[in-house]
Amino acid sequence: DIQMTQSPSSLSASVGDRVTITCRASQSISSYLNWYQQKPGKAPKLLIYAASSLQSGVPSRFSGSGSATDFTLTISSLQPEDFATYYCQQSYSTLYTFGQGTKLEIK
Amino acid sequence: QVQLQESGPGLVKPSQTLSLTCTVSGGSISSGGYYWSWIRQHPGKGLEWIGYIYYSGSTYYNPSLKSRVTISVDTSKNQFSLKLSSVTAADTAVYHCARDKDGSSGSFHYWGQGTLVTVSS
Repeated sequence: DIQMTQSPSSLSASVGDRVTITCRASQSISSYLNWYQQKPGKAPKLLIYAASSLQSGVPSRFSGSGSATDFTLTISSLQPEDFATYYCQQSYSTLYTFGQGTKLEIK
Repeated sequence: QVQLQESGPGLVKPSQTLSLTCTVSGGSISSGGYYWSWIRQHPGKGLEWIGYIYYSGSTYYNPSLKSRVTISVDTSKNQFSLKLSSVTAADTAVYHCARDKDGSSGSFHYWGQGTLVTVSS
């Protein structure tokens, strides 16, 4: 299995802050990396696919970068609705695996 | 707009078989081009991909669950289903069905809201 490790596991930030979440793969996954946002009691929502492609309808303050083993999700200016848990997911191997999640909380 | 909705018992006894169905609306499974997955989330934990099915019936399962999992499709009802046998308390989770974005990226675009299945006697 390809292990996905996110850091940090939790993060406190304020509205307007720039936030970066990191995801590391246990082996090279090229650009087969996706990011999701999940709010309590809801299904995950696709934000970024193929490492840096913004899903239609997702605000442009979200961006993704990286390749091979190291990836980042950046929120350029936090909005109140962005406080949620974020997951990365690799799709290089058909045995899809997710990171453990990063909980973004209001400071 | 594609919508997915899970249905099935919310309580299953240990050693029995968990059975869930995902009903798809706004799009046809038989039109092809997409993979239909089951994903679960243990309470307060992360996400675990269980497996997928293609409209043709071809499947791929997570090896950690493969011996207990069957995913099937009924194109006439526009549904696909999950069966997980010999369940234990460790199978207690919210189960989501999902469709990939484009048949190639492996990203999950459409999700059901999820259904909590508790394994308990």
